[in-house]
Amino acid sequence: DAGVIQSPRHEVTEMGQEVTLRCKLISGHNSLFWYRQTMMRGLELLIYFNNNVPIDDSGMPEDRFSAKMPNASFSTLKIQPSEPRDSAVYFCASSLYGGGTDTQYFGPGTRLTVL
Amino acid sequence: AQSVTQLGSHVSVSEGALVLLRCNYSSSVPPYLFWYVQYPNQGLQLLLKYTSAATLVKGINGFEAEFKKSETSFHLTKPSAHMSDAAEYFCAVSDPQNTGNQFYFGTGTSLTVIP
Repeated sequence: DAGVIQSPRHEVTEMGQEVTLRCKLISGHNSLFWYRQTMMRGLELLIYFNNNVPIDDSGMPEDRFSAKMPNASFSTLKIQPSEPRDSAVYFCASSLYGGGTDTQYFGPGTRLTVL
Repeated sequence: AQSVTQLGSHVSVSEGALVLLRCNYSSSVPPYLFWYVQYPNQGLQLLLKYTSAATLVKGINGFEAEFKKSETSFHLTKPSAHMSDAAEYFCAVSDPQNTGNQFYFGTGTSLTVIP
């Protein structure tokens, strides 16, 4: 079975541009997590969906960030406008039920560089 | 609130030596605990998890961890390090009573294996 798929793997853009990161969940998984990883702040949870509904978006840095799940298997994370401090590796992860014991399966990440 | 502390951001061991990576948690209730591994340019992968069953948990690649409530610890060990173990290791905690299902990751420990 395919794992979590993220695209693009690398993105280089200029400050002020819109960036869209994409994630395809593992088939049958009901929960989706977006994380950001930087050297300074480590791994941060940005937003968590369960059954396509955002459950907790308290980690979203500011209004420039938005995430959607248009269907059960796909999600996007959009940054508009992008800033250099958004440079990081963005991971999505999916889990079967979203429960506290559930294993999260991570995608390979998107390395975003904002110039 | 849940949190984990990983002591030592960098650990170096010789090939064949014992690997010990430390994780202490803070929780008002018995938590669920996880160890994930991240190889270079990859997403995180579950090594093992503790979900209130046996306190000694065995994972993949010869790793194991022991939940010690009295010490609020969940240290990761492997009897004999292999070159392929070089990676970043993350301890994580979740609250079984938190329906928001937030995972809290530690800051990570980078393991170097010296030939």
